[in-house]
Amino acid sequence: GDSVTQMEGPVTLSEEAFLTINCTYTATGYPSLFWYVQYPGEGLQLLLKATKADDKGSNKGFEATYRKETTSFHLEKGSVQVSDSAVYFCALKGDTGKLIFGQGTTLQVKP
Amino acid sequence: DTEVTQTPKHLVMGMTNKKSLKCEQHMGHRAMYWYKQKAKKPPELMFVYSYEKLSINESVPSRFSPECPNSSLLNLHLHALQPEDSALYLCASSQDQSRVYGYTFGSGTRLTVV
Repeated sequence: GDSVTQMEGPVTLSEEAFLTINCTYTATGYPSLFWYVQYPGEGLQLLLKATKADDKGSNKGFEATYRKETTSFHLEKGSVQVSDSAVYFCALKGDTGKLIFGQGTTLQVKP
Repeated sequence: DTEVTQTPKHLVMGMTNKKSLKCEQHMGHRAMYWYKQKAKKPPELMFVYSYEKLSINESVPSRFSPECPNSSLLNLHLHALQPEDSALYLCASSQDQSRVYGYTFGSGTRLTVV
């Protein structure tokens, strides 16, 4: 079945550092790919998405490119802030209509 | 209105109680979802409603009973829960079930079963 694998956390960075969170997927067909963020005590917020190969999703300085050849959708940000500290979930949605999540990666940014 | 509203935000219930969680959206979305999330884990899908009909039940125990009274409302009725059912319950909606639409999540109901 479809699945998503994320790099294990926690990831600890200093403010203004470069962020990469790796995400790879296994799916039949052509899924859409998503990154969600969850701040402590809150629900999930859609951060960005890409619906076909080579699409780049971007929002609030975060970017991710849908790479079909490597089945990847890595999340990047050039300069993280303390306020970016949260749990980040990579997810895919295929023909079943179900949103399938990776295990989540906790990001902690220190001043 | 671009929100999914869940009530209550917190709920403590005994194992013999009956309670309900409520979810509401006014974005015209035709698919609605219930998820369960345990601490430090990803959300787990419980139920999917599409055009007000139950389309997916992920083998959820019958002590959880979903209901979709209309296209804007989704309820989750709880009865005879166990302490291990304590979790964050998230409601979400999307335009429909097609793959191009992401979900909009509510902020959740934190349920404690005592």
